[in-house]
Amino acid sequence: QSVLTQPPSVSAAPGQKVTISCSGSSSNIGNNYVSWYQQLPGTAPKLLIYDNNERPSGIPGRFSGSKSGTSATLGITGLQTGDEADYYCGTWDSSLSAGVFGGGTKLTVL
Amino acid sequence: VQLVESGGGLIQPGGSLRLSCAASGFTVSNNYGNWVRQAPGKGLDWVSIIYSDGTTYYADSVKGRFTISRDNSKNTLYLQMNNLRAEDTAVYYCARGGGSLGYWGQGTLVTVSS
Repeated sequence: QSVLTQPPSVSAAPGQKVTISCSGSSSNIGNNYVSWYQQLPGTAPKLLIYDNNERPSGIPGRFSGSKSGTSATLGITGLQTGDEADYYCGTWDSSLSAGVFGGGTKLTVL
Repeated sequence: VQLVESGGGLIQPGGSLRLSCAASGFTVSNNYGNWVRQAPGKGLDWVSIIYSDGTTYYADSVKGRFTISRDNSKNTLYLQMNNLRAEDTAVYYCARGGGSLGYWGQGTLVTVSS
């Protein structure tokens, strides 16, 4: 049981838009920055979004992040087959004094 | 920036193992270092962090059994794992960062089994 809650899977057609939600509490998302990671099959995770909505250098503008209260959302527009991956949200939990991740969301581009 | 883990392998329950994470392109002592694991077919599971000032934190599941440390002269991060259990079986990644983990190694597999 993950501290952060994500939908197990989402799907959409190429070219479309998808959003992935991440729900937490005041001890984690509510008072700390959220990051998003993409994990392609057989590879290490890769940072997509940091500080709720910032993109590292090299990450396309098709990826965006937002946060409201104790929830965060990852948005991906112009879906490509290469976006098929597992996506994880992560943050710090101030009550646990520990890092926490969501359970992950598998994106399928139909 | 590059992170290269080593030290994984097959170990019996109750055994010990030390993982290493050799860093290049930055100084480990000036950055936050993390260990994150992923059991086969499962999601990411944060394990531990060491701050630049040496402060450490652990997930409850490993507290008292695992110890994170670093050797500044070797620019290397370590994870000493004692009293290993079957549920510790996972790919272990080291990652650089505080709030966000911007750089990851390729991972090293630890299998705990008799």
